[in-house]
Amino acid sequence: GAVVSQHPSRVICKSGTSVKIECRSLDFQATTMFWYRQFPKQSLMLMATSNEGSKATYEQGVEKDKFLINHASLTLSTLTVTSAHPEDSSFYICSARTGQGYNSPLHFGNGTRLTVT
Amino acid sequence: AQTVTQSQPEMSVQEAETVTLSCTYDTSESNYYLFWYKQPPSRQMILVIRQEAYKQQNATENRFSVNFQKAAKSFSLKISDSQLGDTAMYFCAFPAYSGAGSYQLTFGKGTKLSVIP
Repeated sequence: GAVVSQHPSRVICKSGTSVKIECRSLDFQATTMFWYRQFPKQSLMLMATSNEGSKATYEQGVEKDKFLINHASLTLSTLTVTSAHPEDSSFYICSARTGQGYNSPLHFGNGTRLTVT
Repeated sequence: AQTVTQSQPEMSVQEAETVTLSCTYDTSESNYYLFWYKQPPSRQMILVIRQEAYKQQNATENRFSVNFQKAAKSFSLKISDSQLGDTAMYFCAFPAYSGAGSYQLTFGKGTKLSVIP
């Protein structure tokens, strides 16, 4: 149980275009999902917390207008990278937990490798 | 704010041997959980083990165990009988409150473990 599906796994786009990444909780409902970014050989950095039915909460330094997050249902959150530039190339990972408490582990999607040319 | 420190960027171990990865953290909380995640070359984040702070007994999951020293704020991971499939990045993680009753994870910088045949 507790499967998180992320799509696409890999995407290449041209500079200036937008890319949408989907994150789905397949066998549980997630009122909150988290979007992380990971640069090569580095740790995961939280970008934003996606809240079902309300606005996402962004971490300091993350551009809200560039990284649009929509959490339209209890099983789907999307991250749209708008007007992508080569510096946006990275590995993006979504995650969710089955419970709300601090004892509940995060379950991760397989990640999306974004390359902007 | 909680911080998580992994002081060993890289480690290696011979197959079938035992290796210990270190993690220290800082928090003012009295009750919490700690997690170790593994990220193999596929980049899928996999939960290895978790420890409840108010439990004195160290958590164990098959070949993986922790040495939890609450007073010292230390949470090391021991891997016994290392296998080639254990080759991965290992991240120590601590829950941080993200608002609206939800918790996200703060990750250490990771330790790259290589198991040598």
